Amino acid sequence: DAGITQSPRHKVTETGTPVTLRCHQTENHRYMYWYRQDPGHGLRLIHYSYGVKDTDKGEVSDGYSVSRSKTEDFLLTLESATSSQTSVYFCAISARDSLNTEAFFGQGTRLTVV
Amino acid sequence: SQQGEEDPQALSIQEGENATMNCSYKTSINNLQWYRQNSGRGLVHLILIRSNEREKHSGRLRVTLDTSKKSSSLLITASRAADTASYFCATDPTRLTFGEGTQLTVNP
Repeated sequence: DAGITQSPRHKVTETGTPVTLRCHQTENHRYMYWYRQDPGHGLRLIHYSYGVKDTDKGEVSDGYSVSRSKTEDFLLTLESATSSQTSVYFCAISARDSLNTEAFFGQGTRLTVV
Repeated sequence: SQQGEEDPQALSIQEGENATMNCSYKTSINNLQWYRQNSGRGLVHLILIRSNEREKHSGRLRVTLDTSKKSSSLLITASRAADTASYFCATDPTRLTFGEGTQLTVNP
């Protein structure tokens, strides 16, 4: 399995508090992604990174920020958590070079905002 | 957006039958990927087909690509209960966006 770890795996937090989720990889892949998935739906892209300090917005970026200061870590921050951000969050990594284009996903973080 | 859209939304079949799901997209692509998601887990890459390929096989999986119709199909032959999962296509390797997926249920 690709070396990708999400932490924490579960978190309950209160409305209005900041929350940071961490995605750590040991594959040295260039691309990293954060998604949210709500019940019965597909994955929606929040933000992605194409290198250290290089990030871009996805489909549902409002209320979220990201940082990538090292190749191996991609942090997702909910600046002020709201109940609508209760979801399962997935991180993914991809080399995206000429030989390897597949993405590898983490196990997910279940976040509940009460 | 190059986001692929999968259909049908849900598919229920018996073990041993074949399952076919489709992906449509809007703009030209370099390649198209199919992923599977078991309940509550991250997505797993199944197969990639390049824009200059028309068909590709991997075990019980057969993928076709019709760039003139901007569509792809994923065929799972001789399905098993373990194939029960959601299936997604991805057409934009930079943004890696997905549709709502096809929920496949294979009944024993």
